[in-house]
Amino acid sequence: DTEVTQTPKHLVMGMTNKKSLKCEQHMGHRAMYWYKQKAKKPPELMFVYSYEKLSINESVPSRFSPECPNSSLLNLHLHALQPEDSALYLCASSHNPSTEAFFGQGTRLTVV
Amino acid sequence: GNSVTQMEGPVTLSEEAFLTINCTYTATGYPSLFWYVQYPGEGLQLLLKATKADDKGSNKGFEATYRKETTSFHLEKGSVQVSDSAVYFCAPMIYNQGGKLIFGQGTELSVKP
Repeated sequence: DTEVTQTPKHLVMGMTNKKSLKCEQHMGHRAMYWYKQKAKKPPELMFVYSYEKLSINESVPSRFSPECPNSSLLNLHLHALQPEDSALYLCASSHNPSTEAFFGQGTRLTVV
Repeated sequence: GNSVTQMEGPVTLSEEAFLTINCTYTATGYPSLFWYVQYPGEGLQLLLKATKADDKGSNKGFEATYRKETTSFHLEKGSVQVSDSAVYFCAPMIYNQGGKLIFGQGTELSVKP
């Protein structure tokens, strides 16, 4: 199993909604990542979890709240988002923070 | 600082043409180097990697060699197919920043039959 699974694939939410993105991997990887990708741009790192602890927060606004309940799961809780937060949100995992990362298919988020 | 420069796209080629996508980087330390590919509407897939100088990464007919002296990692393929149409990202990994990937701007490749 070499997959990183993200749900949902598509999400439309209002600016007052609360929603969560989910990411799961069963490769025994101990590093997990959230990236944000706008159209025609490269992915931008948001958060890194290493051994279930938050190790990097790239100055992401507090309306994005990551959570790592266990070594296989990574969530991104969303609250009071703005239309400019509409993007493809990519989850990735790696064996550890020094090895290659494997990406999920992403959640395409639209904020209305 | 750390940065990546990729050749600008879009690149349009005919099927069976030779492909080169240039990538040069500036990075502290001794990064591992990766190429990722993103097909339309999908996430990123790891295409190939190299972890030390003169290493050649290869996969699906694509190749790239880690050139430390020129800080480059150019992607090549001898004969492209329509199915290779995608966006290609060069990405060094910076170890002293927790394994952070520094992505280039991406190069869009379109292969015509």
